[in-house]
Amino acid sequence: AQTVTQSQPEMSVQEAETVTLSCTYDTSESNYYLFWYKQPPSRQMILVIRQEAYKQQNATENRFSVNFQKAAKSFSLKISDSQLGDTAMYFCAFMSSPFTLGGSEKLVFGKGTKLTVNP
Amino acid sequence: DSGVTQTPKHLITATGQRVTLRCSPRSGDLSVYWYQQSLDQGLQFLIQYYNGEERAKGNILERFSAQQFPDLHSELNLSSLELGDSALYFCASSVGEWNSPLHFGNGTRLTVT
Repeated sequence: AQTVTQSQPEMSVQEAETVTLSCTYDTSESNYYLFWYKQPPSRQMILVIRQEAYKQQNATENRFSVNFQKAAKSFSLKISDSQLGDTAMYFCAFMSSPFTLGGSEKLVFGKGTKLTVNP
Repeated sequence: DSGVTQTPKHLITATGQRVTLRCSPRSGDLSVYWYQQSLDQGLQFLIQYYNGEERAKGNILERFSAQQFPDLHSELNLSSLELGDSALYFCASSVGEWNSPLHFGNGTRLTVT
């Protein structure tokens, strides 16, 4: 079974600074997707960024970028120019292809990292 | 706004009771997923439906059941409720392709007293 580990329960950063959230995963699959979701105090789950395992180029979305290290099974999220509105729980998630043995379309989530951006 | 609508937002009920949570997916989405979020277990996948048919099952208890109707809305039924069922229940939808992102509703906060 796939597992996702976020080793940092809580982090804080000063406004305008850069912060990196860590995520590692365990899988024997070769085809999969990785996601970062954000859950602000409003509790809605918001997709931040996603990465296909077959793509070597790291995904970027404005101030958000990832460092995808497939061999190390690592998928960290970098937030540049942190803003107060970035304060939230951040969840790393994994989805394997349902077309492979043991694969499933379900998203497997890590336990989350609580990020606080300080003014 | 994700386009996924969940009702009710809050639900308070007693142990042993039965409740129904409702989800309307985004327009055009065929897949509906149900997740349970609790402090100790984190986000747990319960079940997925695609165009009315069950597609994947996760850690869903036998006391829980779900269905997706022809208009694609979905309901999650929780029965014989226990204190430990108190959690935030999310519905998410996607277009149905395996690598398409999930779009989440705002969740239903269930409190069992």
